[in-house]
Amino acid sequence: AQSVSQHNHHVILSEAASLELGCNYSYGGTVNLFWYVQYPGQHLQLLLKYFSGDPLVKGIKGFEAEFIKSKFSFNLRKPSVQWSDTAEYFCAVNARSGNTPLVFGKGTRLSVIA
Amino acid sequence: KAGVTQTPRYLIKTRGQQVTLSCSPISGHRSVSWYQQTPGQGLQFLFEYFSETQRNKGNFPGRFSGRQFSNSRSEMNVSTLELGDSALYLCASSATTGTYEQYFGPGTRLTVT
Repeated sequence: AQSVSQHNHHVILSEAASLELGCNYSYGGTVNLFWYVQYPGQHLQLLLKYFSGDPLVKGIKGFEAEFIKSKFSFNLRKPSVQWSDTAEYFCAVNARSGNTPLVFGKGTRLSVIA
Repeated sequence: KAGVTQTPRYLIKTRGQQVTLSCSPISGHRSVSWYQQTPGQGLQFLFEYFSETQRNKGNFPGRFSGRQFSNSRSEMNVSTLELGDSALYLCASSATTGTYEQYFGPGTRLTVT
């Protein structure tokens, strides 16, 4: 069975700091990878996705993620965070073959302070 | 395009009761998935429906069930509620099964007392 690990439970950064949130998955086959964000009081929104091709994926609001197949990782990055990036971030994976559901990590809460 | 809508948004029930939650997907989307979100367990997959057929089921007891109608609207039902069923129940829709680019609704906050 697939599983997803997000190493950081809560990250606190100052505005303009760089962000990297870790995500590792366990699955031997080909996967689809996603990052979702949940802003306070709002519903989950898709931040970016990777299906195939260039392993460096750019999403909304200046976020990007890099798929490193050899490390089973899909880390989320942003060069300079803003207070409005305060949210919970979820990594999700599903196997490309077969009809398998999305498996989510437990989330990383990001707090950006002024 | 209107997003995924879920009703009701908040619900308080007593142990032993049953509850039905509703989800209307984005127009044209045929796949609806349900998730349970709790602080301790995060998002856990309940089930997925596509064209009125259950395509996938998560590891939840039989008290949790669902269905999908011909217009793609979906309902989930929880019978014999337990305190541990208190959670945010999220519905997500996608255009088809397999792509898993899912769009989430705001959720139904269920509190069991």
